[in-house]
Amino acid sequence: KAGVTQTPRYLIKTRGQQVTLSCSPISGHRSVSWYQQTPGQGLQFLFEYFSETQRNKGNFPGRFSGRQFSNSRSEMNVSTLELGDSALYLCASSLPSDTGELFFGEGSRLTVL
Amino acid sequence: AQSVAQPEDQVNVAEGNPLTVKCTYSVSGNPYLFWYVQYPNRGLQFLLKYITGDNLVKGSYGFEAEFNKSQTSFHLKKPSALVSDSALYFCAVRDTGGYQKVTFGIGTKLQVIP
Repeated sequence: KAGVTQTPRYLIKTRGQQVTLSCSPISGHRSVSWYQQTPGQGLQFLFEYFSETQRNKGNFPGRFSGRQFSNSRSEMNVSTLELGDSALYLCASSLPSDTGELFFGEGSRLTVL
Repeated sequence: AQSVAQPEDQVNVAEGNPLTVKCTYSVSGNPYLFWYVQYPNRGLQFLLKYITGDNLVKGSYGFEAEFNKSQTSFHLKKPSALVSDSALYFCAVRDTGGYQKVTFGIGTKLQVIP
């Protein structure tokens, strides 16, 4: 069974630009979560989607948005990039159960210059 | 609000010695607790979880964790460390009672010295 796939793996943007990251979950997983990982902050929860609906949202500004499609694939978008947005963005999928573990992709490493 | 604390930024242990990576948590209800490991430039991999039942949970690669409700702790342990265990370890908690988000600790870097 294929794992969680994130694209692109690496990207470089400049301040003010926008970026879209993609995540394809494991087949059969309908829940997709996004996390931002930085060395000083650890993993910060961005949002979680289930059946195309956002169920939970973290404390990030409105520049961070996401969506989920009917095939469970998810995208997140960051507009008006700032230097502080440089991070590893991790996507995780899971079965629709609160006892289930998360399955992570390799991440998309964003560098903002 | 739920939270997780990993009090040690880094743990150093000699190969062959037992290792412990500490984690304490705070939730309003009963916790679902998880440990994940991250190798350089990779995503996180699930190691083990506590949902209910036996306080000692066994997981992948010889790791185990002990749930202590009175101390609100969930420490990760391994009887004999390997150099290949060197990685970043994350403790995580999910509160029961609905589709709550998973909250992660800041991570502990484990360095196993040959």
